[in-house]
Amino acid sequence: GAVVSQHPSRVICKSGTSVKIECRSLDFQATTMFWYRQFPKQSLMLMATSNEGSKATYEQGVEKDKFLINHASLTLSTLTVTSAHPEDSSFYICSAPGLAGGYSYEQYFGPGTRLTVT
Amino acid sequence: GENVEQHPSTLSVQEGDSAVIKCTYSDSASNYFPWYKQELGKRPQLIIDIRSNVGEKKDQRIAVTLNKTAKHFSLHITETQPEDSAVYFCAASMGNFNKFYFGSGTKLNVKP
Repeated sequence: GAVVSQHPSRVICKSGTSVKIECRSLDFQATTMFWYRQFPKQSLMLMATSNEGSKATYEQGVEKDKFLINHASLTLSTLTVTSAHPEDSSFYICSAPGLAGGYSYEQYFGPGTRLTVT
Repeated sequence: GENVEQHPSTLSVQEGDSAVIKCTYSDSASNYFPWYKQELGKRPQLIIDIRSNVGEKKDQRIAVTLNKTAKHFSLHITETQPEDSAVYFCAASMGNFNKFYFGSGTKLNVKP
């Protein structure tokens, strides 16, 4: 149980275009999801907290107008990188706490999306 | 916000030796400390975790210790094997449904 998927696994886009990444909880509901970014040989940096039915909460230094987050349902959060530039190339990973309505310390991570902006 | 520091950044050990990775955190409100193993291009995998009401936890060759007073926690791997080679991350969280703050990572290399 507690599987999180991401789509696409890899995407290449041209500079200036937008790309959408989906994060889905497959067998549980997630009122909260988290988005992380990981540059090569670096750590996972929290970008934002995605909240179902309300606005996302962004970490300091993350441009909310550039990284649009929509938590459309209890199983889906999307991250849209708008006007992407080569410096946005990174590994984007989402996670979700265990069970909505329950008590959960652990988080379940998606497999990640490799974004390359040319 | 929470700040998690992790040391060392790289660690090479001989197969069969022990490996220790250390982390410190800054926010005394943090109460959950997981450790993850990540292979290149893959999602982090939880290997062990500890809550603040416990000082030590062990699972076969892996153990984690927590010192709340000093705000540090450590990962101990005994009898290391080549398949233990990976990048390890510590994290801190304020618990229930809360976000994680990750350490900078340790690349562990176990030499056969």
